[in-house]
Amino acid sequence: EAGVVQSPRYKIIEKKQPVAFWCNPISGHNTLYWYRQNLGQGPELLIRYENEEAVDDSQLPKDRFSAERLKGVDSTLKIQPAELGDSAVYLCASSSNTDTQYFGPGTRLTVL
Amino acid sequence: QKEVEQNSGPLSVPEGAIASLNCTYSDRGSQSFFWYRQYSGKSPELIMFIYSNGDKEDGRFTAQLNKASQYVSLLIRDSQPSDSATYLCAVIGGGGNKLTFGTGTQLKVEL
Repeated sequence: EAGVVQSPRYKIIEKKQPVAFWCNPISGHNTLYWYRQNLGQGPELLIRYENEEAVDDSQLPKDRFSAERLKGVDSTLKIQPAELGDSAVYLCASSSNTDTQYFGPGTRLTVL
Repeated sequence: QKEVEQNSGPLSVPEGAIASLNCTYSDRGSQSFFWYRQYSGKSPELIMFIYSNGDKEDGRFTAQLNKASQYVSLLIRDSQPSDSATYLCAVIGGGGNKLTFGTGTQLKVEL
């Protein structure tokens, strides 16, 4: 069974530029999560989708971050414009009807 | 008070010893508890989950949960150098499906 797929794996951009991350969850997993992990910290939830509906986006900085999950499968997380403090690893995870979440390899974002 | 607390370490143990990793949580209504392993530069990998008080064993790993004390631990028997990683404790609180992570404990298994 294929795991969670994310792309790109690495991204370096200058501040004020836009950036987008893509995630393909494990087949059949209806719940998708986006996390941000800063160095030395645990992952922090940004947004959770149940199928195509965002059911928890309370931690998403909505002034610059947006996300979508069209058709309830793939998802895209966008930052526009990026700031220096956005440098982090962005992790996508998915789960089925259980609590157990499986993580993708992440995208390491560096904002210069 | 942080929702999920872990000692950041590093915790150093000799090869073959038992490593004991501890975690406390603040939400008394929490029902689901997870341990993830994260190698440097990699994403978190699920090691174990536990829902009920007591011990749960899987190979060299044992998770222990004490809801009255709001405490969950992970024991690694016969520690190997390949166990050297950061171990993240994660809890789903009583309010829903949000998984809250601790900051992780760095484990170093020395030859």
